[in-house]
Amino acid sequence: TQLLEQSPQFLSIQEGENLTVYCNSSSVFSSLQWYRQEPGEGPVLLVTVVTGGEVKKLKRLTFQFGDARKDSSLHITAAQPGDTGLYLCAGALVESGAGSYQLTFGKGTKLSVIP
Amino acid sequence: DADVTQTPRNRITKTGKRIMLECSQTKGHDRMYWYRQDPGLGLRLIYYSFDVKDINKGEISDGYSVSRQAQAKFSLSLESAIPNQTALYFCATSEGLAGSEQYFGPGTRLTVT
Repeated sequence: TQLLEQSPQFLSIQEGENLTVYCNSSSVFSSLQWYRQEPGEGPVLLVTVVTGGEVKKLKRLTFQFGDARKDSSLHITAAQPGDTGLYLCAGALVESGAGSYQLTFGKGTKLSVIP
Repeated sequence: DADVTQTPRNRITKTGKRIMLECSQTKGHDRMYWYRQDPGLGLRLIYYSFDVKDINKGEISDGYSVSRQAQAKFSLSLESAIPNQTALYFCATSEGLAGSEQYFGPGTRLTVT
């Protein structure tokens, strides 16, 4: 069972369109991160959200952490070809001890923005 | 220069061979991690280390071993490679706070034939 479910798995849209990708779980996370990975490279952090209901904006990207800290969404406004990549969410579980230092990753959403 | 480097970047090996993947970091972080990435399965944690004397198994440690030679170096070994270990392998580092950002290396593409 995947702890973090990301949807959709694949998304292909035209330049200029808006989109939302989701990251859902039945577990509570102390924090949740979004990474973007481009082909041939490692994931790079976009944002970390830590408070239930928190909303963070990064230019055309808007990230939201669910009130119960079990889910998150990433909304991209007016997508551009440069947004193409694999978007991964990763959460730090609310656990005591060493487990809280681990990140659990979703399988990712592969986004293609067509010019 | 990259903060997290991995060698080799690509490797093709045969079943049964021993292979070592190396990771070095200049970020000064104590925590280091090894992941593998497979299409459709995402990133899965193999091993992690909180410092030179602390090594912990992750989700999928069977068939792998690690060595933390120094704060800056963390190696992953496959003692006897098998085809289902064909994957993209990433090393990552982080600071000491729970849920800290992880900084990833560029990855090693390993193919076991």
